[in-house]
Amino acid sequence: QKEVEQDPGPLSVPEGAIVSLNCTYSNSAFQYFMWYRQYSRKGPELLMYTYSSGNKEDGRFTAQVDKSSKYISLFIRDSQPSDSATYLCAMTAGDGGSQGNLIFGKGTKLSVKP
Amino acid sequence: DTGVSQNPRHKITKRGQNVTFRCDPISEHNRLYWYRQTLGQGPEFLTYFQNEAQLEKSRLLSDRFSAERPKGSFSTLEIQRTEQGDSAMYLCASSSQATQYFGPGTRLLVL
Repeated sequence: QKEVEQDPGPLSVPEGAIVSLNCTYSNSAFQYFMWYRQYSRKGPELLMYTYSSGNKEDGRFTAQVDKSSKYISLFIRDSQPSDSATYLCAMTAGDGGSQGNLIFGKGTKLSVKP
Repeated sequence: DTGVSQNPRHKITKRGQNVTFRCDPISEHNRLYWYRQTLGQGPEFLTYFQNEAQLEKSRLLSDRFSAERPKGSFSTLEIQRTEQGDSAMYLCASSSQATQYFGPGTRLLVL
């Protein structure tokens, strides 16, 4: 079992739809949770960062962490064609140091159709 | 631009050649990470620097790979005697806390 599981998709939705992206993980030591967006042939771009359990909202994006279920989600409201990209979840046990290495999911490829 | 920069952006080489990549982190960040990403996969950790000290290396980092960060600023990643299996995107990230900011990557193709 991989430490972080993420459905690779692809996921195709119409413009304006609400998108739900999810990851599960097995390591209970993970405390920091991130979502990155990666356009084709580009580096990952940090979208959301959450520490421990709870919700965080930033514009059209909402990140949720449920540590009891080892489950994290990213919701995108009013999705736009420009949101078409691969979304990577990432997590780490520590704030830097040897525990700061990010463990990534495989990424979910999202396509938003106009 | 104050983000992470990487050079070159693309590199094509023949099997057996040596290649070197450079990463310039965000200036105030003391932590620097190298990752490797293959098609359809998320990035995988290779090595980590705190200032100039290399503190951790992944088992993915064979003895053909070496990384340096001589003055605690930019870093280089060298691959000796490249193999076709080294073809990947090599990503650099820097941080001062838990969040890591990535550069655009160097895409390596070994023929």
